[in-house]
Amino acid sequence: DGGITQSPKYLFRKEGQNVTLSCEQNLNHDAMYWYRQDPGQGLRLIYYSQIVNDFQKGDIAEGYSVSREKKESFPLTVTSAQKNPTAFYLCASSHRTGSAFFGSGTRLTVV
Amino acid sequence: AQSVTQLDSHVSVSEGTPVLLRCNYSSSYSPSLFWYVQHPNKGLQLLLKYTSAATLVKGINGFEAEFKKSETSFHLTKPSAHMSDAAEYFCVVSEVRRGQNFVFGPGTRLSVLP
Repeated sequence: DGGITQSPKYLFRKEGQNVTLSCEQNLNHDAMYWYRQDPGQGLRLIYYSQIVNDFQKGDIAEGYSVSREKKESFPLTVTSAQKNPTAFYLCASSHRTGSAFFGSGTRLTVV
Repeated sequence: AQSVTQLDSHVSVSEGTPVLLRCNYSSSYSPSLFWYVQHPNKGLQLLLKYTSAATLVKGINGFEAEFKKSETSFHLTKPSAHMSDAAEYFCVVSEVRRGQNFVFGPGTRLSVLP
């Protein structure tokens, strides 16, 4: 089945730790995106990548980092510099035009 | 710059009655417009999309939306609400210039009362 897979579904982070969220797609999409969703709010763009080995900051990139070494993969690292990382994180992919397909999300909690 | 306004943060309807979720957008270019639905703790599912073809767009689960350029609106409707329609709905605008960028509205929570 074609789709976009995020893992893990739930993730717990201690203060000062870096954690990495995985996002993989087998849809042959060029573009991939990371969004953050907080309760009662819409989605805010963290980073996006239109092609391999290239990515751009979104609206709330501070405290996050990404890589795009393969077309299929776009991992997001939440660094210790992100002071309020508890949120629901959604990854998406798309062709250059057309709709975005979303993963099922990762819920990150700081403990 | 693109932007999306969803005029109602919460809409409540009775089962079997019509649904109207309102969306207005701002875009400098000819946009693509989408409606997505999100059930609790899930990812987003595409309901329908407008990409400069027919202005009345039919989607899944009986939803449809009409693109009105003069009003910069893309309201989502359904003739008869079902309990399973209770969810969060997002209106999204996209432009393709140097790559595609999706901009989300703040969402409308739909409650369906028995």
